[in-house]
Amino acid sequence: AQSVAQPEDQVNVAEGNPLTVKCTYSVSGNPYLFWYVQYPNRGLQFLLKYITGDNLVKGSYGFEAEFNKSQTSFHLKKPSALVSDSALYFCAVRGVKLTFGKGTKLSVIP
Amino acid sequence: EAQVTQNPRYLITVTGKKLTVTCSQNMNHEYMSWYRQDPGLGLRQIYYSMNVEVTDKGDVPEGYKVSRKEKRNFPLILESPSPNQTSLYFCASSLLQKPDNEQFFGPGTRLTVL
Repeated sequence: AQSVAQPEDQVNVAEGNPLTVKCTYSVSGNPYLFWYVQYPNRGLQFLLKYITGDNLVKGSYGFEAEFNKSQTSFHLKKPSALVSDSALYFCAVRGVKLTFGKGTKLSVIP
Repeated sequence: EAQVTQNPRYLITVTGKKLTVTCSQNMNHEYMSWYRQDPGLGLRQIYYSMNVEVTDKGDVPEGYKVSRKEKRNFPLILESPSPNQTSLYFCASSLLQKPDNEQFFGPGTRLTVL
């Protein structure tokens, strides 16, 4: 069965520092991987996706994600965090269906 | 503006009183889906629809019904709500469910069943 794990419920980072939100997955066949962001009182918004090709994927708001097939990971990264990046982040994998992780709350401290 | 709308945004009801949460999209998407979001559990799919008159169960369909009579609308029906259905509900849509299509989400409906 396919699954997504986000090992950290919460990540705290100082403004201006690099951030990483971790995601590992399990799926049969080639993975299609996604990151979504949820701001308070809002629906989920698409950030970026990996389908094939370059292992480093660039997305919205300066975010990028690195696909690592051997480690079955798809970590979300940003070189310099902003306070406005504080939100709930979901990793998702598309195999037979779309499965979401449990989410990681990112807090960027001024 | 391309969007998914849900109504109501907030709803407090009592056990057993039938309710419907509406979902509508203006992007001509074939695929629509309902999720519930609970703390520590992430998003779980309730039902989905590949097109008009085509619906199927997701991971947690018990206690819910859906219908897809028009392409743009996908209402979620709780015939006899119970307190364990208290949750945050999201509707989503996308073009035909190809693996690389991202989903567009509505703003959410916070439901409390007393």
